Amino acid sequence: QQQVKQSPQSLIVQKGGISIINCAYENTAFDYFPWYQQFPGKGPALLIAIRPDVSEKKEGRFTISFNKSAKQFSLHIMDSQPGDSATYFCAASRGNNNDMRFGAGTRLTVKP
Amino acid sequence: DAGVIQSPRHEVTEMGQEVTLRCKPISGHNSLFWYRQTMMRGLELLIYFNNNVPIDDSGMPEDRFSAKMPNASFSTLKIQPSEPRDSAVYFCASSLEFRLGGPSNQPQHFGDGTRLSIL
Repeated sequence: QQQVKQSPQSLIVQKGGISIINCAYENTAFDYFPWYQQFPGKGPALLIAIRPDVSEKKEGRFTISFNKSAKQFSLHIMDSQPGDSATYFCAASRGNNNDMRFGAGTRLTVKP
Repeated sequence: DAGVIQSPRHEVTEMGQEVTLRCKPISGHNSLFWYRQTMMRGLELLIYFNNNVPIDDSGMPEDRFSAKMPNASFSTLKIQPSEPRDSAVYFCASSLEFRLGGPSNQPQHFGDGTRLSIL
């Protein structure tokens, strides 16, 4: 079922630094790529999402970069804060099918 | 605005017992998903429904697992008999189904999960 590969498994960043999480997918039919943020004891929550017709999407400190030819996309967190410490999941789905495939997750720790 | 509601939040039971997890999706959402999350396997899709109809249950591990959606506002995931390897956090999520002319790929909204421990 693993159609989306995510790295790194864990990441430690200093406060104010840039956090970068990478994902790669196999199925070229995927056309929706969301990122979810999960805090302990909570369900994943949608953070930001991109469609393949654009190469970048920015919302506040969070940016998705998308490379369609390489079948890769990444999440950049600028000016990382301790409150950003969480597990991040990339995902992909296709067309009018809500079936979504998740990456394995990245545990981010932002040190004060 | 109420989100996806799951119950119970925690369940501890002995091997061999029947376990029933419950989910109330967001009102108006017509797609519902059941996921299982473990350290080893991450977040796995078990089954999803569109308009109360199961669409893909290929992720259901085995016949001990079953899911129903009797109406648009309620779904259950049942494990019978339960085994220790079923211990995990089970999430329910809901979304709006893609409709022709509307935005595609609606985001999924997750509940806070049920932490299941089988002794």
